[in-house]
Amino acid sequence: AQKVTQAQTEISVVEKEDVTLDCVYETRDTTYYLFWYKQPPSGELVFLIRRNSFDEQNEISGRYSWNFQKSTSSFNFTITASQVVDSAVYFCALRFSGNTPLVFGKGTRLSVIA
Amino acid sequence: DVKVTQSSRYLVKRTGEKVFLECVQDMDHENMFWYRQDPGLGLRLIYFSYDVKMKEKGDIPEGYSVSREKKERFSLILESASTNQTSMYLCASSPIDWTGGYGYTFGSGTRLTVV
Repeated sequence: AQKVTQAQTEISVVEKEDVTLDCVYETRDTTYYLFWYKQPPSGELVFLIRRNSFDEQNEISGRYSWNFQKSTSSFNFTITASQVVDSAVYFCALRFSGNTPLVFGKGTRLSVIA
Repeated sequence: DVKVTQSSRYLVKRTGEKVFLECVQDMDHENMFWYRQDPGLGLRLIYFSYDVKMKEKGDIPEGYSVSREKKERFSLILESASTNQTSMYLCASSPIDWTGGYGYTFGSGTRLTVV
């Protein structure tokens, strides 16, 4: 079964704290892509990152970093020094070859309090 | 700026009405998708289309139909709206993608309330 689990439903942190959003996936395929999207209060999902199954290098983009570990089927997302503008719902998603739809996790709502 | 445009941001309809949600993309994408988003349930796929006049059922197609007469436009139809269809509806598009490497571009969503 293809499945994405985001166990954290809601997280609340104080501004400037670091926070990690967890994503665990299940698949039997060897070729797949993992994604993170951000949904701010405006509603539109915004693409953050894509990682393919053959590339386990961690990635850093400013205050954002992603840790992909095939051994644990996880693709976790860390925000360093969180800001109020980071408040949003974050979705992890999985896509396979063969023009198939994205499979989304249920999302994690992050609230950053000033 | 490339875009997916959903015709209405907020919509209120009566039970039993036929409802049309429209989505237009300007990126010449082959794939288009309709999801609904509910608290605690995440994004659930209703229908998708990979070509004009082609459609595939997603996870929750019951009570919905779709139409894709032109490449840029994908309509979601609620044949007889019911209160349990009150939800946020999100449209997305992507290029045809045999590798799995393309993500989606999303519209801003339509928040539908059925009373």
